[in-house]
Amino acid sequence: QVQLVQSGTEVKKPGASVNISCKTSGYTFTSYSIYWVRQAPGQRLEWMGWINVANGNTKYAQNFQGRVTITRDTSASTAYLELSSLRFEDTAVYYCARRYFFDFWGQGTLVTVSS
Amino acid sequence: QSALTQPASVSGSPGQSITISCTGTSSDIGAYNYVSWYQQHPGEAPKLMIYDVTNRPSGVSNRFSGSKSGNTASLTISGLQAEDEADYYCSSYTTSATQVFGGGTKLTVL
Repeated sequence: QVQLVQSGTEVKKPGASVNISCKTSGYTFTSYSIYWVRQAPGQRLEWMGWINVANGNTKYAQNFQGRVTITRDTSASTAYLELSSLRFEDTAVYYCARRYFFDFWGQGTLVTVSS
Repeated sequence: QSALTQPASVSGSPGQSITISCTGTSSDIGAYNYVSWYQQHPGEAPKLMIYDVTNRPSGVSNRFSGSKSGNTASLTISGLQAEDEADYYCSSYTTSATQVFGGGTKLTVL
């Protein structure tokens, strides 16, 4: 069965960077793109960007341009999200999801930015 | 990219039908038939309920249906059940090759 398993909870200081992994299984990794979405506490879902897993091309939301990098390791069937220059308002649950309509989701990774 | 517009809350009694609207622009909902709907229970990841405006993934009840007219998409839930109580989000592909979500709608089953 298709699974997306994300890395664990992170606590970071303002200005630091965070790297979250999304390990996939149950399908051919290079067949579908991976997307990243975040949700601040009590807030709506927010689209961050995506990666074409087959060729590595990426597209990022304007709100995160310059701070976000999405990569993948096809040998490990894993995608990664790096968010730099963290601010208090980056405290959120970060999700990876598969395909443009997000048919399968990771369990979410809580990132807390605190001094 | 501004968020799509959804009502903050809707409610209905068990057995009734409700509809949640999702309004965008000609640059997102109006441009493509790539509207999706997600159900999210507290503390859980979202779950795909409808994709490409009207399609239901395997395993999703046929009580859930989607439609679109112009720049507005809709999710209808018929025969409301207690377990339908959740937050619902719409999303759309955009002409900028990005995705945008709605603000979310809290469904209360009375």
